[in-house]
Amino acid sequence: SQKIEQNSEALNIQEGKTATLTCNYTNYSPAYLQWYRQDPGRGPVFLLLIRENEKEKRKERLKVTFDTTLKQSLFHITASQPADSATYLCALSSSASKIIFGSGTRLSIRP
Amino acid sequence: DAMVIQNPRYQVTQFGKPVTLSCSQTLNHNVMYWYQQKSSQAPKLLFHYYDKDFNNEADTPDNFQSRRPNTSFCFLDIRSPGLGDAAMYLCATSREHGVDTEAFFGQGTRLTVV
Repeated sequence: SQKIEQNSEALNIQEGKTATLTCNYTNYSPAYLQWYRQDPGRGPVFLLLIRENEKEKRKERLKVTFDTTLKQSLFHITASQPADSATYLCALSSSASKIIFGSGTRLSIRP
Repeated sequence: DAMVIQNPRYQVTQFGKPVTLSCSQTLNHNVMYWYQQKSSQAPKLLFHYYDKDFNNEADTPDNFQSRRPNTSFCFLDIRSPGLGDAAMYLCATSREHGVDTEAFFGQGTRLTVV
């Protein structure tokens, strides 16, 4: 069955450092990989989408990579701030199917 | 400004008593999704609509039903809630069926079963 794994349940880093989150998947060939942010008690908010034929995507302090050979995506937040503390969810979809989510990584940025 | 609205934000229901959660959207999106999310877990897709076409996930219990009377509204009916159905229920929309587009989520409805 399709499986999405995010590297760790929680990640704690110092303000100003780069946070790197990992998403690995099996038994799936997604056309699109998305990253969402979720704050406690709220719905997820879309951040970035990357297509299977793209290696890298950037948006402000965010960078996403997508390696379909390794079946892995890396999500980076540079110059991290305490306001970046949240749970980050990886999601996969193909051209004609639903969106499925990983369980997320809870990121904490300490001042 | 709210684009995907879920009502109510918090719902308390009795064990076995039918409950309906509602979702509306102002985006005119074709696809609407219902997800169940329990603490520290992935949002789990229950079903989705592409326009009026209903798609049920294979492992969604029969206890869960959905209706989409028009483009803007979608309902989640839980016929006989059990304690294990306590969760956050998330409604989301996307413009097209997984094609190069993100999902827009509502704030969720937190369901408590007593």
